[in-house]
Amino acid sequence: QLTQSPSSLSASVGDRVTITCRASQDISSSLVWYQQEPGKAPKLLIYAASSLQSGVPSRFSGSGSGTDFTLTISSLQPEDFATYYCQDLKEYPVTFGGGTRVQIK
Amino acid sequence: EVQLVESGGGLVQAGGSLRLSCVGSGISLSDHYMEWVRKAPGKGLEWIGGSRDKANGHTTEYAASVQGRFKISRDDSGNSVHLQMHGLKTDDTAVYFCARDFASGSDVWYFDLWGRGTLVTVSS
Repeated sequence: QLTQSPSSLSASVGDRVTITCRASQDISSSLVWYQQEPGKAPKLLIYAASSLQSGVPSRFSGSGSGTDFTLTISSLQPEDFATYYCQDLKEYPVTFGGGTRVQIK
Repeated sequence: EVQLVESGGGLVQAGGSLRLSCVGSGISLSDHYMEWVRKAPGKGLEWIGGSRDKANGHTTEYAASVQGRFKISRDDSGNSVHLQMHGLKTDDTAVYFCARDFASGSDVWYFDLWGRGTLVTVSS
């Protein structure tokens, strides 16, 4: 089970944003982050907890291992207002966190 | 262009059945684990099932919420994966996505390629 926090946040362009994801058991580094905009498919951002997917802006970063993980957006851009999900891919069944909606302040 | 395209969604009454399809282009689906994920209105992403690659016999796994009602199958000649849904409930109303589960190395996995999704609406 993955617990994301906060479930939503309001921020301004240029803000530093941090989203956390806590696993109920040790999942090593098998943690993935996705971004989903309304009406679109999820987009892969970070895999293996901290590896940036090709083509994803460097303002996105991930950290953590074991049970505690963080997604950081260093300087929020207008196109970053979306919902973010963490995912545990250590083994089946696959689980997602509840999501964090990032809104414009 | 490498892409996945889902089809088969629509309106169905509770208790009914529906079969979704996911067809690949520019990619051989049989070489990959393929997953189904859904997004219900106002809710988060939910993994509902997956099918291992051909080398692993296309064996399947399911979420508890759909176990016994949903079944994933493959058609390697058609480069497709299917989701057969029976006993549909209003709670199954969602956009259904198929996704490639990519293995980057030992124990490194992620869903890197997604379709646009197909909407399933279950009415009471």
